[in-house]
Amino acid sequence: GQQLNQSPQSMFIQEGEDVSMNCTSSSIFNTWLWYKQDPGEGPVLLIALYKAGELTSNGRLTAQFGITRKDSFLNISASIPSDVGIYFCAGMIYNQGGKLIFGQGTELSVKP
Amino acid sequence: DTAVSQTPKYLVTQMGNDKSIKCEQNLGHDTMYWYKQDSKKFLKIMFSYNNKELIINETVPNRFSPKSPDKAHLNLHINSLELGDSAVYFCASSQELAKNIQYFGAGTRLSVL
Repeated sequence: GQQLNQSPQSMFIQEGEDVSMNCTSSSIFNTWLWYKQDPGEGPVLLIALYKAGELTSNGRLTAQFGITRKDSFLNISASIPSDVGIYFCAGMIYNQGGKLIFGQGTELSVKP
Repeated sequence: DTAVSQTPKYLVTQMGNDKSIKCEQNLGHDTMYWYKQDSKKFLKIMFSYNNKELIINETVPNRFSPKSPDKAHLNLHINSLELGDSAVYFCASSQELAKNIQYFGAGTRLSVL
């Protein structure tokens, strides 16, 4: 079945640093989504990408839908302590009933 | 106003018991989902319903039975609970299947002893 490989698995950074994480797959996806999960909460959508090559920003976050449709990255600039959490990529293929395939997550720790 | 709400937040029970988790969304969405998050935080879809009709059943044991009384509710009933059922279960909803921005509830942490 489809799988997403998300890396890195975890990151420990200093406040103010930039962060980059990515997801790759052997399958082509029509939609890429990036979610953040805080402890004890459900995933919250950060950015949605619908077209190959699309580059979208949401404040300090920027994400891109890879040209091949098999990958996506998320960058966080000038990290702050509240960026701590688990970031998930998720891909969707049309005509599969809305099924989202999730990456394994990137756990981000930010040291003040 | 909570968009996707699920109850209970925590559920501790003995092996062999039957339990239910309820989910309601007030977003007017047509599609609802159940996901399971394991101890390694991996999220995997279990079911999806569109307008009360089952769309996805992702090879889940038939001890798990979703029930959608209307398009705003999707409950999950689990029979004969097993230790391996311990996980966090998330309900989600989306407006449509195509662009599929899914909104998640806060999760139900199920512990089977």
